[in-house]
Amino acid sequence: DIVMTQSPDSLAVSLGERATINCKSSQSVLHNFNNKNYLAWYQQKPGQPPKLLLYWASTRESGVPDRFSGSGSGTDFTLTISTLQAEDVAVYYCQQHYTAPRTFGQGTKVEIK
Amino acid sequence: DVQLSESGGGLIQSGGSLRLSCTASGFTFSNKPMSWVRQAAGKGPEWVSTISGSGAGTYYADSVRGRFTISRDNSKNALYLQMNSLRAEDTAVYYCARDIAEGADNTGSYVFDRWGQGALVTVSS
Repeated sequence: DIVMTQSPDSLAVSLGERATINCKSSQSVLHNFNNKNYLAWYQQKPGQPPKLLLYWASTRESGVPDRFSGSGSGTDFTLTISTLQAEDVAVYYCQQHYTAPRTFGQGTKVEIK
Repeated sequence: DVQLSESGGGLIQSGGSLRLSCTASGFTFSNKPMSWVRQAAGKGPEWVSTISGSGAGTYYADSVRGRFTISRDNSKNALYLQMNSLRAEDTAVYYCARDIAEGADNTGSYVFDRWGQGALVTVSS
C-alpha cells in the first residue's frame, strides 16, 4: 500500500497569513501515460464529512476559493492557503487516487494563532 | 442539490452483522460510481469499497474483503453495505461518497466530491 505522510501534524497561522501543508507518498503517484499526479486534498471541519478541495494535485474543485492551491509532483506535494480565513480552521487530508487501495494521510490540523 | 443520507448504523457485538443504506438525490445515480469510506475517531479516512454505476464492478479493501458486500439499487437511488463478522476495528463513522467519474461502467476515479453526513458503527468486544 502507498503510505501518505503529512507534515506538520498541526499548525497555527495568523489570519491573513499563509498556511502550508506537506504530503509525501511512499511511492510516486505520477501517471506516465497522462503526466498527471493522482493526489487529492480534502478539508474536514468538526462534525462534518470531508470536503473535496483539489485533485490531480492542482485542479480546484468547483466552488473552492482560489486561496487554496496545490503543487508538487511524484512523491512530494503541498497544499497552500494563501491568506488564512477564520472559516479555514479544519483538518486537511491528502489522498492518493493512483492505485489500490487508495489511501489518505493522517491529517494536518490548521488553527488560528 | 446533491444529497447523500446514510442510515443503519448502531451498536453491535463483535461477530454480528449490520446493513448500512445510503439514499441519494439530486443527480443521475446510475451514472456514478459510489463508495463507502470510513473514519475511526481521530484518524484519517479509510476507503472501504466501491461499486460501478451499473453495479457490475465491485472493489474492496483487503481489511473487509469476504466480510463486507457493497450493492446498489438504481431504481431506488440507494447504495448498501452489508457488514458481516464485524470486529472491534470496524468501529468508525461510515460515509457514502460519490465519485467524480461518470458512466455506468466506469470503475471510479476514487476522488470523492460529495459525502453523506455519516453513520456511526460501534462494534463492542
